[in-house]
Amino acid sequence: GAGVSQTPSNKVTEKGKYVELRCDPISGHTALYWYRQSLGQGPEFLIYFQGTGAADDSGLPNDRFFAVRPEGSVSTLKIQRTERGDSAVYLCASSLRTGEAFFGQGTRLTVV
Amino acid sequence: AQKVTQAQTEISVVEKEDVTLDCVYETRDTTYYLFWYKQPPSGELVFLIRRNSFDEQNEISGRYSWNFQKSTSSFNFTITASQVVDSAVYFCALRANQGGKLIFGQGTELSVKP
Repeated sequence: GAGVSQTPSNKVTEKGKYVELRCDPISGHTALYWYRQSLGQGPEFLIYFQGTGAADDSGLPNDRFFAVRPEGSVSTLKIQRTERGDSAVYLCASSLRTGEAFFGQGTRLTVV
Repeated sequence: AQKVTQAQTEISVVEKEDVTLDCVYETRDTTYYLFWYKQPPSGELVFLIRRNSFDEQNEISGRYSWNFQKSTSSFNFTITASQVVDSAVYFCALRANQGGKLIFGQGTELSVKP
């Protein structure tokens, strides 16, 4: 597609529920990144894929967070047993292997 | 450890004024990349510029210019003759190698008033 697409744009869920956030990167981009942005803060790195494999998952806050990219294109960020502190905008970005990252519009997650 | 500091949380200027956004970074790597992104109210981060650590030449693109100084670990961004459409949050970011995570600063919210 023309840009990075994230769905849904907004998600409200109850505490303790499971959620999945989807990212469609720019066609041909081998690298895919997930970030989390809280209000008034800069984006915080979560995980980075090069192709199908996670090259760096050091930013995942705990084992409730998991991400996959099974075919090296679309990625899904999965959050189990959501907590109110997980509320944030989740940003996805993609890039060519060494190029600048292009970001999607984000998914605003609200845990109530 | 890698860190990016944008000491200015908010800046407010009147249209046509020049404004400089400061960025100071920390890294032990000899090869690294610096970036500026713009985040308008719509929320999408827009790429503005990338510089590598071996290229200290300043760059100008229209009303935008960037001053990279390794001696002070700074990568400042100047908007000349600001316009209302420049109002946004601006982020400076650091990447330590050719691929991989970006470390963002806290952002500077720029408000340009007519």
